[in-house]
Parts: sequence; C-alpha cells; structure tokens
Amino acid sequence: AQTVTQSQPEMSVQEAETVTLSCTYDTSENNYYLFWYKQPPSRQMILVIRQEAYKQQNATENRFSVNFQKAAKSFSLKISDSQLGDTAMYFCAFMKHWSGSGNTGKLIFGQGTTLQVKP
Amino acid sequence: SAVISQKPSRDICQRGTSLTIQCQVDSQVTMMFWYRQQPGQSLTLIATANQGSEATYESGFVIDKFPISRPNLTFSTLTVSNMSPEDSSIYLCSVGAGYGYEQYFGPGTRLTVT
Repeated sequence: AQTVTQSQPEMSVQEAETVTLSCTYDTSENNYYLFWYKQPPSRQMILVIRQEAYKQQNATENRFSVNFQKAAKSFSLKISDSQLGDTAMYFCAFMKHWSGSGNTGKLIFGQGTTLQVKP
Repeated sequence: SAVISQKPSRDICQRGTSLTIQCQVDSQVTMMFWYRQQPGQSLTLIATANQGSEATYESGFVIDKFPISRPNLTFSTLTVSNMSPEDSSIYLCSVGAGYGYEQYFGPGTRLTVT
C-alpha cells in the first residue's frame, strides 16, 4: 500500500522569502504521479503542481517548484517570493499510474502542512 | 480545468437523518470522485463514480451508508445516510481531467451533525 508523509504540521515564512515543504512517500510502483494541492481557509482545493515519476526534470509553475528525488522517495515543494495569498494548508498527494484505459484516479494524501505567510 | 459546483455549501443536520450532496461539472467527465475531510484532517477517498456503472467504494465505506448516483457525465450525488456526529466533515467531489492524472475539486460541503 502507498503512504504519503508530511512531517511538518505547521510552518511560517516572511513575505517575499522562500520556504520548502517536505513530503516523502512509500510505494513499490515504478510509474506514478505526485501532486501538491493548496487548500486556503475558503477550503477550495487547488492543484499547484504535478510531477510524473518517469520525468527526471523537476516541475515548475511560476513561483512554485519541486525537488523530486525518486530514489529517496522525496517530493518537496519550494515556494519562492512568498505572498500573503500563499497562506493555506498544503497537501502532498500520490496517484498510481494505471496502464489500462484511463486511470483509477485514486489520490492518496499526506496529512498536510499549514503554511502561514507573515507580512 | 473544470468548473465544479457543490450544493449545499454547508448544512447542519439532526442525528439519524440523511443529506444528499450534489456535484455539478461544467463539462463532461468520465471519472468523478467523492472525498471526506474530517475536521483538521487530510482527505480520504470514499468512492469513485463512473457514469453507467456502480460506484466503487474504498475500504471502510459502504453503499448503504454513502449511496452514490451518477446519472450523466456532468452530475453526481452523494447521500450521507442515518447520520451521526462522527459524520461531521467536509465532503468534496472531484473530477479527473484527461486520463485522470489531474484532479480538480469542488468547493466542498461542510456538514455538521448534531
């Protein structure tokens, strides 16, 4: 069974600084996808970034980038130039690749990290 | 990405009653999912709802407690039956884009059972 672990329940960062959120996972699968989701206090889950396990290049989306270490089963999220609007709970999630027609779509979430951006 | 709406956004219900939550998507999607997020906790998948077939439930969730309908490619409902205070949670629907590698979530329904 797959598991996702986020060891930092809470973090804080000053506005405009950089912060890194940690995530480790456990799986015996070789093909899978990893995601970071953001859940602001309004509770709308927003997809921040995704990484395909077969890609060596780390994904980036504007101020958000990941450090994907497949051998170490580590998938950290770096937020650069933090903004007040980045204040939210961040979830790391795992999805197994399904070689059939389509995907099972089951997301396995970590426990979440609450990030507070301070002015 | 898809635009997803849920109704109701929140509700307070009496123990022993049932609540049906609606999820509407602005485009046709094959796969829809229902998640539960207990207070201060992470998300747990309840079931996968594909149009034209029975919903597939995860371990710990049963159809009698959480019946799901999926009448077409843009709509699904989740019913929380015979509610108890332990059912107080946020219930979220999500849809898979493309082959389902990316999922987009609705705004959630906050349920409080008294």
